[in-house]
Amino acid sequence: QLQLQQSGPGLVKPSETLSLTCTVSGGSISSRIYYWVWIRQPPGKGLEWIGSIYYSGGTYYNPSLKSRVTISVDTSKNEFSLKLNSVTAADTAVYYCARLVGLWTGEVDYWGQGTLVAVSS
Amino acid sequence: QSGLTQPPSASGTPGQRVTISCSGSSSNLGSNYGYWYQQFPGAAPKLLIYKNDQRPSGVPDRFSGSKSGTSVSLAISGLRSEDEAHYYCAAWDDSLSGPVFGGGTKLAVL
Repeated sequence: QLQLQQSGPGLVKPSETLSLTCTVSGGSISSRIYYWVWIRQPPGKGLEWIGSIYYSGGTYYNPSLKSRVTISVDTSKNEFSLKLNSVTAADTAVYYCARLVGLWTGEVDYWGQGTLVAVSS
Repeated sequence: QSGLTQPPSASGTPGQRVTISCSGSSSNLGSNYGYWYQQFPGAAPKLLIYKNDQRPSGVPDRFSGSKSGTSVSLAISGLRSEDEAHYYCAAWDDSLSGPVFGGGTKLAVL
């Protein structure tokens, strides 16, 4: 059974960089079928796609966040990571890593446990 | 931001049939499949319907999906108290080059 385990701090100061890592177990991140994504959910609000990465390193980012986001993959560790810089209170959200079934799809079949990241001094 | 439009709330009584709608545009639902997710408080979303009307294994057949034009719908028949949750629709968006979600519908079982 595939599992996605998220790690990273739950509190980030304004203007600093949010960093989260998602470790995949029970399957290979190098599968050619899947993309790996980060999605966030502000408290009491809906879901927002942040970006996607393929095992080879190809990335797609939400245009609204593109200037501040970097998603990377480390196939040797079977993990992928999110960095969001210059954060503000508006970036406070539960951040999820997840697996996207292919590219041109809205199908997310596995999710991490979610990490609540608060942006506060 | 939410590229797909859902009603913020819906309700029904046990045993009833409830339908939740989701409206999009030509760049998402008009040219791509629709998906539905169920989310309970404090938990990650769970895939409920994929490719408009397909159910993953383990999802009861009380849940069904359909699509018409640039809209998709989720129907829940034989409503149960445990169906009380938030429901989100989703689709690939050609303009975004990524998945787009609806704002979510909170379903209350009265």
